[in-house]
Amino acid sequence: GNSVTQMEGPVTLSEEAFLTINCTYTATGYPSLFWYVQYPGEGLQLLLKATKADDKGSNKGFEATYRKETTSFHLEKGSVQVSDSAVYFCALSAMEYGNKLVFGAGTILRVKS
Amino acid sequence: DGGITQSPKYLFRKEGQNVTLSCEQNLNHDAMYWYRQDPGQGLRLIYYSQIVNDFQKGDIAEGYSVSREKKESFPLTVTSAQKNPTAFYLCASSAPGQGNGAQYFGPGTRLLVL
Repeated sequence: GNSVTQMEGPVTLSEEAFLTINCTYTATGYPSLFWYVQYPGEGLQLLLKATKADDKGSNKGFEATYRKETTSFHLEKGSVQVSDSAVYFCALSAMEYGNKLVFGAGTILRVKS
Repeated sequence: DGGITQSPKYLFRKEGQNVTLSCEQNLNHDAMYWYRQDPGQGLRLIYYSQIVNDFQKGDIAEGYSVSREKKESFPLTVTSAQKNPTAFYLCASSAPGQGNGAQYFGPGTRLLVL
């Protein structure tokens, strides 16, 4: 079956530190991959996406590259800010499941000033 | 502005009462979804609808009901059969014709039991 595994949090960083949140997936086909961000008390926002191997999604300084060979989609940011503190969810969508998303468990990021 | 709205932001339910959460979208999306999120947890799919007048159960449909009479609207009723309804409820929509499966979320409704 399809699944998404994210690194456990919370991840605590100082401002301007480098961020990596690991995400690996299992899928029988070629899924689309997503990162969502959830700020406290809010809904999820689509942060970035990639739809085929070697695609790089990017937005607001965040990046993730679709690595088919390692079935990974790790989220990175070169210099985090306090305002990046949130929960980050990795997700996939695969043809055999229609348009349902499969979510990882989420990773809490805390950035200290 | 196009988007998804959910109302109310907070909702209180008394014992034995049914309550209905509203979800409206003006994105012209065919598919709509309801998720439940418990504190510190991920999302669990309650119901989804890929087209008007059709919907399917998700992973945790017991104690919930939905309708899809209009493309723009997908209300969720939390019935008295749902014994532990306190949670954050999120509605989402997607345009299957785009092919990449991205879903767009509303701001959520927090349901509390009195």
